[in-house]
Amino acid sequence: QVQLVQSGAEMRKPGASVKVSCKASGYTFTSYDINWARQATGQGLEWMGWVTPNTGNTGYAQKFQGRVTMTRSTSTSTAYMELSSLTSDDTAIYYCARFEGGQQQLGRFDYWGQGTLVTVSS
Amino acid sequence: QSVLTQPPSASGTPWQRLTISCSGSSSNIGRNSVNWYQQLSGTAPKLLIYSDNQRPSGVPDRFSGSKSGTSASLAISGLQSEDEADYYCAAWDDNMMALVFGGGTKLTVL
Repeated sequence: QVQLVQSGAEMRKPGASVKVSCKASGYTFTSYDINWARQATGQGLEWMGWVTPNTGNTGYAQKFQGRVTMTRSTSTSTAYMELSSLTSDDTAIYYCARFEGGQQQLGRFDYWGQGTLVTVSS
Repeated sequence: QSVLTQPPSASGTPWQRLTISCSGSSSNIGRNSVNWYQQLSGTAPKLLIYSDNQRPSGVPDRFSGSKSGTSASLAISGLQSEDEADYYCAAWDDNMMALVFGGGTKLTVL
């Protein structure tokens, strides 16, 4: 069965960086993009961007351009999301999700990771 | 403020039929597929409806989606207590070149 298992909770100080992992299993990792979204406590979902495991190509939401880096390791079927220059506004649960459907205009997130809580506090 | 507009809350009684709206624009809902996600308390979102009106395997047929112009709707018939959750619509926005979510609707079953 398809599974996305994310790394554990992280705590960082303002100005630091955090790297969250998302290990995929149960399907061919290079056949589906991995997207990342986040959710602050009590708030809605916010899309951050994607990585194409086959090529390493990425696309980021403008809000996070210059501060986020999404990468992957095909040897371990793992996707990574690194966010730098953290502030308290970055405190949130970060989710990875498998993208099914080809074009962004047509597809959907059919499987999600369990989420990783990132807390930014001095 | 979210690009897609949903009512913040909705409520209904068991067995009732209820709809949740999602309003967008020509650059998102008007051109692209709408998906709906259900998020039970403390869990990750789950795909509920995709491509406007398609149900993934395992989703009860009590859930249905529709779209007209720049608005979409999620309908839940035969409301059950386990349907209490947050519901989010989502669509790609061609102008923003980004996936946009609605603000979410918290459904309460009375």
